[in-house]
Amino acid sequence: KAGVTQTPRYLIKTRGQQVTLSCSPISGHRSVSWYQQTPGQGLQFLFEYFSETQRNKGNFPGRFSGRQFSNSRSEMNVSTLELGDSALYLCASSLEYRDGYTFGSGTRLTVV
Amino acid sequence: AQKVTQAQTEISVVEKEDVTLDCVYETRDTTYYLFWYKQPPSGELVFLIRRNSFDEQNEISGRYSWNFQKSTSSFNFTITASQVVDSAVYFCALIQGGYSTLTFGKGTMLLVSP
Repeated sequence: KAGVTQTPRYLIKTRGQQVTLSCSPISGHRSVSWYQQTPGQGLQFLFEYFSETQRNKGNFPGRFSGRQFSNSRSEMNVSTLELGDSALYLCASSLEYRDGYTFGSGTRLTVV
Repeated sequence: AQKVTQAQTEISVVEKEDVTLDCVYETRDTTYYLFWYKQPPSGELVFLIRRNSFDEQNEISGRYSWNFQKSTSSFNFTITASQVVDSAVYFCALIQGGYSTLTFGKGTMLLVSP
């Protein structure tokens, strides 16, 4: 059974650019969540999608957005990148959130 | 609001020592779920265990054991006879009530030396 797949693994972008990260959940999982991990703030929740609808949203500026497709694959987009957006972005999927989430290996974004 | 505190930032032990990672949580809900995840240098968060608020039974899985105590709002994790491969960052996390999002602690970095 394939795990959660995130692409790309590494990304270097210039300040002011935009970026799109992709996540393919485990087959059958309809819930996809995104987390940002930085040394200073730790793991912070970005947003969660369930059946193509945003179910929850964390406390991040509007530059951070996401979407989920009918096949449950999800993308997150960050516009007008800032140096502080440099982080590991983790995607997680779940069949039932009470049972916990399975995480992908993450996309490490560096903004220069 | 919910909160997870992992007071130990970093722990260093020598192989074969036992080590306990502490986790204290705060939540106003009577229904909640607690988790431990392991993050090796590769970055992926690996699920270790889940506990719901109605099940205080402690659990042992191989060298791992978990002690859940609602009276002290703690969910501690013990590794017996640690090994170098146990070196990683360990996160305790909470899902509260009807919400579906994980609240993580800051993590404890465990370094096991040969």
